[in-house]
Amino acid sequence: EAGVTQFPSHSVIEKGQTVTLRCDPISGHDNLYWYRRVMGKEIKFLLHFVKESKQDESGMPNNRFLAERTGGTYSTLKVQPAELEDSGVYFCASSQDTTAFGSPLHFGNGTRLTVT
Amino acid sequence: AQTVTQSQPEMSVQEAETVTLSCTYDTSESDYYLFWYKQPPSRQMILVIRQEAYKQQNATENRFSVNFQKAAKSFSLKISDSQLGDAAMYFCAYRNYGQNFVFGPGTRLSVLP
Repeated sequence: EAGVTQFPSHSVIEKGQTVTLRCDPISGHDNLYWYRRVMGKEIKFLLHFVKESKQDESGMPNNRFLAERTGGTYSTLKVQPAELEDSGVYFCASSQDTTAFGSPLHFGNGTRLTVT
Repeated sequence: AQTVTQSQPEMSVQEAETVTLSCTYDTSESDYYLFWYKQPPSRQMILVIRQEAYKQQNATENRFSVNFQKAAKSFSLKISDSQLGDAAMYFCAYRNYGQNFVFGPGTRLSVLP
């Protein structure tokens, strides 16, 4: 089966610009998560979709970040306007079962975002 | 809030030797899962091993095993017979019911030939 795919793998943008990250989860996985890792720090939760619904978006840093998952398939994460502190690696992950909290996450390769 | 700490930002091990990566966490819950994930350079993060808190027996996966000390809230990863392909960032993670994964800051493991 195809794994979680993320696009682009790298993005370099200037402060104030807009960037949209895309994630395609494993087919059949209802749960989709976005995480971010700022250099040298822990991987922080951003939000969680169950199908097309936002289950938990408590980790979204501010209203410059907008995540969507239309149709419950792929997801996009838009940053508008980007700030320097948004730089980091954005990970997408999916999992099959919401109720089994031991169900592991399947990660994509991540998108490395650099805001200059 | 739950937190996960990995006190070793970097570790190195000689090929074929054994290395232990440490992880501690903070929680007031009694049932939860703990995970170790591995991210090789420029590659996907993959699950190495997981442990349910209610199981006393330490999980093992081939050369990877854990030392789970529930009372001490410690969850270390032991890699035996280290191989060059084990070089990666290792992340410890915690999850309890209804919560999202909480990750530690990671430990970068180098394997020396």
